[in-house]
Order: sequence, then C-alpha cells, then structure tokens
Amino acid sequence: AQSVTQPDARVTVSEGASLQLRCKYSYFGTPYLFWYVQYPRQGLQLLLKYYPGDPVVQGVNGFEAEFSKSNSSFHLRKASVHWSDWAVYFCAADSGYNKLTFGKGTVLLVSP
Amino acid sequence: DAGVTQTPRHEVAEKGQTIILKCEPVSGHNDLFWYRQTKIQGLELLSYFRSKSLMEDGGAFKDRFKAEMLNSSFSTLKIQPTEPKDSAVYLCASSLTGVETLYFGSGTRLTVL
Repeated sequence: AQSVTQPDARVTVSEGASLQLRCKYSYFGTPYLFWYVQYPRQGLQLLLKYYPGDPVVQGVNGFEAEFSKSNSSFHLRKASVHWSDWAVYFCAADSGYNKLTFGKGTVLLVSP
Repeated sequence: DAGVTQTPRHEVAEKGQTIILKCEPVSGHNDLFWYRQTKIQGLELLSYFRSKSLMEDGGAFKDRFKAEMLNSSFSTLKIQPTEPKDSAVYLCASSLTGVETLYFGSGTRLTVL
C-alpha cells in the first residue's frame, strides 16, 4: 500500500541549531512530494514541493528538502532553527491522482 | 486575498445530532478538499470536488458523512448522525488545480459527547 512515514513523532532542537525531520515514502514509481507546516490553531501551510528534477528543493523560511530515490526518503532540513519554527510538520505524497497521503506529523519543539 | 474560511471554529454536539460544517474556498479556486485530522489517524481525505463535481467521496466515510458544493464559493460537510468517534478537527482546503498547492482553512474542532 502507498504510504508516508515520519518516524519521529517529536523532535527537540536548540534555537540556532540545525534541523532534520525525516520522511520515508512507499510508492510505486516516484511520487510528487510535499512538506507542510501547521502552527498552533491554524491550518496547514505549504513549505516546499518536489517534482522530478533537482533532488534538493528550496522552500520558504530557509527550509530545504532532499529527495533520495535509493532511500525512498524526502528529509526536511534547516540550517538554523528559530523559536518561531515551533510547529507540527507533515510530509505528504501524491501519486498523480490528486490524492495526498500525509504522514502522521512530527512535532518540532525549540528549546532556548 | 482572503484565504479559506471555515465556520464554526468549534462545535460541540450530542451523540446522534446532525451537524453542518461550512467552508468558503479561496476565490477562483477550482478544487476543494475536506480532511479529517486526528492524532491517531492523522489527516484522512473525506471528499474532493473539482469545479463543484464530486470526484472522491472518501470511501469509509460515505455512510454518515456528506459533503456538498452548492456553488463555487461555498461547501458544506454534514455529519448525520454524529458519534463520539467523530471528534476531530475538520479541515477544508482549496487549490487552483489538484494538489500542487493546497490552501488550508484553520479548521473546525468538533467534539461529540
């Protein structure tokens, strides 16, 4: 079955430190891949999206993600985390049928 | 531009009641999605409309959940009758086309007692 897995339910990072949030997908072929962020009491907002091409994708607010076909992964990275990045991050995939499959989300906690 | 507007923000219902959640998509968007968000299951697709036509009715959610798009600027999600397991956040999202970039509303938090 097609699926998206975010293995870390919660990640804590010190402010100013680098960040990686993991995402693994299980799809036939290469899906379109997305990262969304959900701030408290808000809906989801798109951070970045990947369509086949350059494996490193730049997003908003200094976020980037790297696609790896060999590892079936699409990890999210940021060089220096800010306290305002405290949120829930969702990885999602679309196999081409306009149906996004979301991971369960990773809560990012930022410590001072 | 106004984003996706969902009302109400919170809804409390007794078991067996009928509730209607409302969504106004971004003006000019052709596609509209309803999702249910819970901690256990994450985000689950309930319904998908393209140009007001129902494209996806959410499979397992068909029996008590009914989404409608009466016009291009308004959609409703009816749950009838409600059950405690329906307690969740219901999110509405819209896009110009497909899932390339979804714009989400802030959601309606439903509590069924």
